[in-house]
Amino acid sequence: DAKTTQPPSMDCAEGRAANLPCNHSTISGNEYVYWYRQIHSQGPQYIIHGLKNNETNEMASLIITEDRKSSTLILPHATLRDTAVYYCIVRGAGGYNKLIFGAGTRLAVHP
Amino acid sequence: NAGVTQTPKFQVLKTGQSMTLQCAQDMNHEYMSWYRQDPGMGLRLIHYSVGAGITDQGEVPNGYNVSRSTTEDFPLRLLSAAPSQTSVYFCASSLYSPGQGDTGELFFGEGSRLTVL
Repeated sequence: DAKTTQPPSMDCAEGRAANLPCNHSTISGNEYVYWYRQIHSQGPQYIIHGLKNNETNEMASLIITEDRKSSTLILPHATLRDTAVYYCIVRGAGGYNKLIFGAGTRLAVHP
Repeated sequence: NAGVTQTPKFQVLKTGQSMTLQCAQDMNHEYMSWYRQDPGMGLRLIHYSVGAGITDQGEVPNGYNVSRSTTEDFPLRLLSAAPSQTSVYFCASSLYSPGQGDTGELFFGEGSRLTVL
């Protein structure tokens, strides 16, 4: 299964864009990239996912490089409520029953 | 819809005791799973199920049993609790099963915080 590498922590000023990187250099051709976040001690929350093309929804944008070896989650206008741990996940072989969460990136949004 | 409901929210056990963490979902999801999260760590998959009567092991299955007799319920059993099982347990479900197309969106419960003394 492809593994991901994320910085352990990042800071962002409120109102600015938060760009969270993820490296998944061993990703295979049919594997999707998923992003979840976990606010405080709550259950993780789905944000977005993609295969090759860039994706956007009401929460965030996902930019995947052409070689698919890395991606960036963009929160366009970060708020204090976006302070959370963000997980970048590559769906493992056999489907999402092998969805493996790493340590994630702890994003702190400051006033 | 209540979504994914976990009970109890908090539990303290003594070493060697047994207990069952309950998980129920009312979204008619085929796929259900259990994760554990230790302090400062990511989530680790314990067991999962792709439908009633079907279960399989995840990354850290030892010390845990599961069964799936109905689509709605997926209980996690600790037969003989150990201090190493002190953790927060999350149940998650999703609409589709592998091979049938899915969005990958897992819906999580609020967690069950277990302490084993």
